[in-house]
Amino acid sequence: GQNIDQPTEMTATEGAIVQINCTYQTSGFNGLFWYQQHAGEAPTFLSYNVLDGLEEKGRFSSFLSRSKGYSYLLLKELQMKDSASYLCASLGYSTLTFGKGTMLLVSP
Amino acid sequence: DTEVTQTPKHLVMGMTNKKSLKCEQHMGHRAMYWYKQKAKKPPELMFVYSYEKLSINESVPSRFSPECPNSSLLNLHLHALQPEDSALYLCASSQLNQGQGIGYTFGSGTRLTVV
Repeated sequence: GQNIDQPTEMTATEGAIVQINCTYQTSGFNGLFWYQQHAGEAPTFLSYNVLDGLEEKGRFSSFLSRSKGYSYLLLKELQMKDSASYLCASLGYSTLTFGKGTMLLVSP
Repeated sequence: DTEVTQTPKHLVMGMTNKKSLKCEQHMGHRAMYWYKQKAKKPPELMFVYSYEKLSINESVPSRFSPECPNSSLLNLHLHALQPEDSALYLCASSQLNQGQGIGYTFGSGTRLTVV
């Protein structure tokens, strides 16, 4: 089975940096994904890690440690539009299982 | 075309109605998925089709009936639903080889309300 844990809510101010952590326990691991989801909309792909280390994509970076079952998503230069739910998802043998999501609120 | 298209975007149905949700992709993806998402909850997997064959059914009640007529289309037939089935229904597709790390492409969802 899959068990994915991430904080429920986080707040930050515009222009700041925020790190959203995710821990996972899976049977069969083929990668860790981060998705962004605005209320009432579909999740959109942000990043993917399958090897240990940091993947950088513009203002977003994601880190993975397979030995620790740990990942984080780093958001820099926060903008108001970054207020959304951020879903950590683990790819098992063939399917993607989502964590409960972290609701990020960016304030002016 | 890099999209997954779902129709309708919104659907209100009575408990005795029969309706269908439709999903279409033209990215050549051979895996397609139905997820159900309640408010403030993560998406929960319902069904997986691989090469147009049902490969995973996550113990979904029979009032939900999936169908994959061809490699580009995925339907979800609904019959005798309950109010608690009201949710956002998301369709997604992916390549079967996840080594490229592109993950799933999600449609914009169908917001279903059962009255």
